[in-house]
Amino acid sequence: QQQVKQSPQSLIVQKGGIPIINCAYENTAFDYFPWYQQFPGKGPALLIAIRPDVSEKKEGRFTISFNKSAKQFSLHIMDSQPGDSATYFCAAPGGKLIFGQGTELSVKP
Amino acid sequence: DAGVIQSPRHEVTEMGQEVTLRCKPISGHNSLFWYRQTMMRGLELLIYFNNNVPIDDSGMPEDRFSAKMPNASFSTLKIQPSEPRDSAVYFCASSFEGLAVTGELFFGEGSRLTVL
Repeated sequence: QQQVKQSPQSLIVQKGGIPIINCAYENTAFDYFPWYQQFPGKGPALLIAIRPDVSEKKEGRFTISFNKSAKQFSLHIMDSQPGDSATYFCAAPGGKLIFGQGTELSVKP
Repeated sequence: DAGVIQSPRHEVTEMGQEVTLRCKPISGHNSLFWYRQTMMRGLELLIYFNNNVPIDDSGMPEDRFSAKMPNASFSTLKIQPSEPRDSAVYFCASSFEGLAVTGELFFGEGSRLTVL
């Protein structure tokens, strides 16, 4: 079964900071790599996904960077806001999604 | 548009009782997934269905757990008998064929189960 290793487990930044969350995969032979965002009391929701044939994708303040040789993906949040405080998951794709352990992000005002 | 609908949102029961969690996927979606979320183990995939057929139930923890999908608009996850270690938030999620292309699953708001 595809494994994903996510780090760090938790992260605290000040408003305006740039939190970075990393994810390592065993197998990169897939069509996309997604990040999910989960707020307390809610289900996870797709935040942004990247295809392995590109090295970076930006959507608003969220950026995914893909390092194929290192088999790693990173999520960067530019100009972070308190409203970004949530748990973030990377996931291994395919016919089913296997999620990383999650990173609890807290953005302090 | 209605999203994935789960019921009950909260369930408190005593050890040994039967628990049934329900899910209505988004209309038109042909894949349905049950996940369990705990602090210790994170988000675990329990089972998933494609076109109402169970494809992979390797994540079901033991025989006390069972899941059914009698039609495209309804699924149940049953625990019998329940144990305190089953306490968790159980999520149902659905997707169309596009999961393999976009990685997008649509999650319900979860059923929080507490077994005393």
